[in-house]
Amino acid sequence: GAGVSQTPSNKVTEKGKYVELRCDPISGHTALYWYRQSLGQGPEFLIYFQGTGAADDSGLPNDRFFAVRPEGSVSTLKIQRTERGDSAMYLCASSSYAPDSTQYFGPGTRLTVL
Amino acid sequence: AQRVTQPEKLLSVFKGAPVELKCNYSYSGSPELFWYVQYSRQRLQLLLRHISRESIKGFTADLNKGETSFHLKKPFAQEEDSAMYYCALRGGADGLTFGKGTHLIIQP
Repeated sequence: GAGVSQTPSNKVTEKGKYVELRCDPISGHTALYWYRQSLGQGPEFLIYFQGTGAADDSGLPNDRFFAVRPEGSVSTLKIQRTERGDSAMYLCASSSYAPDSTQYFGPGTRLTVL
Repeated sequence: AQRVTQPEKLLSVFKGAPVELKCNYSYSGSPELFWYVQYSRQRLQLLLRHISRESIKGFTADLNKGETSFHLKKPFAQEEDSAMYYCALRGGADGLTFGKGTHLIIQP
């Protein structure tokens, strides 16, 4: 079946602009995660959804970052007033509800803030 | 706070030689440890996890709680093993904490 998909694959924006990054999880997966990966670093956890609700948003760096998952499937990561330091690869992962389930990653969206 | 340390940014070995990628962790409770791999131009994928105690593609990893380590090993490296390898930990929350990764290069 289809894996996790993310759109766009690349996004270039100017400092101060607003961006939205989309994640389509594997069908039937109730858990969804967002990570950010800067150059030379491992992925860094941002937020975790179980169904429609954010179960853990402790990784969001500040209030410019927000994510939604209104119908418990597709999720959108929203970044307001982008800064150059937001430039990174944004990864999405999904898993089934089982406590020991594997997280399956999408290909990522590379965000560049000029 | 939980932390994962991969001390080697780059590891280069010859084909057929043994490989060991080091991973140390810091966590006060009982963690779950994983190894993820990213081949060139592919997405991040799970290689193995300590609770399943499997050998995947010839790789094994043993959780050593005394040394807080989860090193990844393979007795005979193959060229197709060249990739980025990330060690990851899941503590109480469901989000994973990753190390910075080790770039493994297998020379012919």
